[in-house]
Amino acid sequence: GAGVSQSPRYKVAKRGQDVALRCDPISGHVSLFWYQQALGQGPEFLTYFQNEAQLDKSGLPSDRFFAERPEGSVSTLKIQRTQQEDSAVYLCASSFGPITYTGELFFGEGSRLTVL
Amino acid sequence: TQLLEQSPQFLSIQEGENLTVYCNSSSVFSSLQWYRQEPGEGPVLLVTVVTGGEVKKLKRLTFQFGDARKDSSLHITAAQPGDTGLYLCAGEERGSTLGRLYFGRGTQLTVWP
Repeated sequence: GAGVSQSPRYKVAKRGQDVALRCDPISGHVSLFWYQQALGQGPEFLTYFQNEAQLDKSGLPSDRFFAERPEGSVSTLKIQRTQQEDSAVYLCASSFGPITYTGELFFGEGSRLTVL
Repeated sequence: TQLLEQSPQFLSIQEGENLTVYCNSSSVFSSLQWYRQEPGEGPVLLVTVVTGGEVKKLKRLTFQFGDARKDSSLHITAAQPGDTGLYLCAGEERGSTLGRLYFGRGTQLTVWP
């Protein structure tokens, strides 16, 4: 497809389980972002890749969160030992060039994670 | 505490009314963007403003960036039911780590026929 694709769209995990969320950005897009959106909140920055390099991971809430983009295209956000407070929509976004915010960020539909 | 404060949080109006949504901060931004998000979808960019005092129009939507680049507003004229959605402002704080875009909590707009 032409847009940012995320999978799974919905994930239910038991507390303590590990989850992996996938993002397939628009082909050729250099920049890739992960955001966390809790119910009733705006998206919160998690991490940013330029090609395969993770340039900023300062928004990751704990060392249970890990993101990678090994070949500079598809990215995976992994959450280990999930907790209830991890329940949120995880949004992936990509942009054509190295980002300054005069560019356009294209978002996927998100992966909704529910931790029981 | 949010870096960008949006108000109001909820807005419910009749078709044809005008409305204004505000986005305020004590920080200076290199640029500021407005997005609209529908349920179950990701945010979609509406506009980017870069210059202090800049005004941009997109059909019935008017966006303004404050002179000091700390605040912005979105004005909708003659709102229609199709304008219903979550409106988010987002900005790159001047001097922040490249790539970190801060979002406000959003304004949930409902326009009734």
